[in-house]
Amino acid sequence: AQSVTQPDIHITVSEGASLELRCNYSYGATPYLFWYVQSPGQGLQLLLKYFSGDTLVQGIKGFEAEFKRSQSSFNLRKPSVHWSDAAEYFCAVGLMEYGNKLVFGAGTILRVKS
Amino acid sequence: DAGVIQSPRHEVTEMGQEVTLRCKPISGHNSLFWYRQTMMRGLELLIYFNNNVPIDDSGMPEDRFSAKMPNASFSTLKIQPSEPRDSAVYFCASSAGGNTEAFFGQGTRLTVV
Repeated sequence: AQSVTQPDIHITVSEGASLELRCNYSYGATPYLFWYVQSPGQGLQLLLKYFSGDTLVQGIKGFEAEFKRSQSSFNLRKPSVHWSDAAEYFCAVGLMEYGNKLVFGAGTILRVKS
Repeated sequence: DAGVIQSPRHEVTEMGQEVTLRCKPISGHNSLFWYRQTMMRGLELLIYFNNNVPIDDSGMPEDRFSAKMPNASFSTLKIQPSEPRDSAVYFCASSAGGNTEAFFGQGTRLTVV
């Protein structure tokens, strides 16, 4: 069965420090992969997506992610975190044979300390 | 485009009452999804429509839940009768299909007391 694992429930980083959020997936076919961000009381906003091609993808707000097929991973990175990045981050795999429905990880809550 | 629009943003109802959540997808999108978010289960897909037709409703928890999409610009999720364990945030999302991402609405926070 398809699944997404985000092993870190909470992460705290200092403002200006680098960030890496981990994501591993289980899926039999070539995955479509996404990172979404959710601020409190808000909906989910797409940060970036991977469908094919270059395995390093750039997103909004200075985020990037790298698809590593051998590790079944799609980790999210940012070189310098800003206080406004504090939010919950969700990794998801898109099941294209099922109309692009998404299977989400449990999410990682990012706290930024000044 | 205004994005995916959901109403109401907040709903508080008493156990046993009927609740209807509404969604207007992005114009031109042909796929619509209803998700539910809870602390215990995270984000889970309830149902998805393609070209107004329900394709996969395997995530609908019980017969108390029903969803309709009478036209390309409107969908409803109904719970009848509602129970306290239905309390959650319900999200609607739409996509243009194919290699495109889903866009989410702001969600409806449902509280059943």
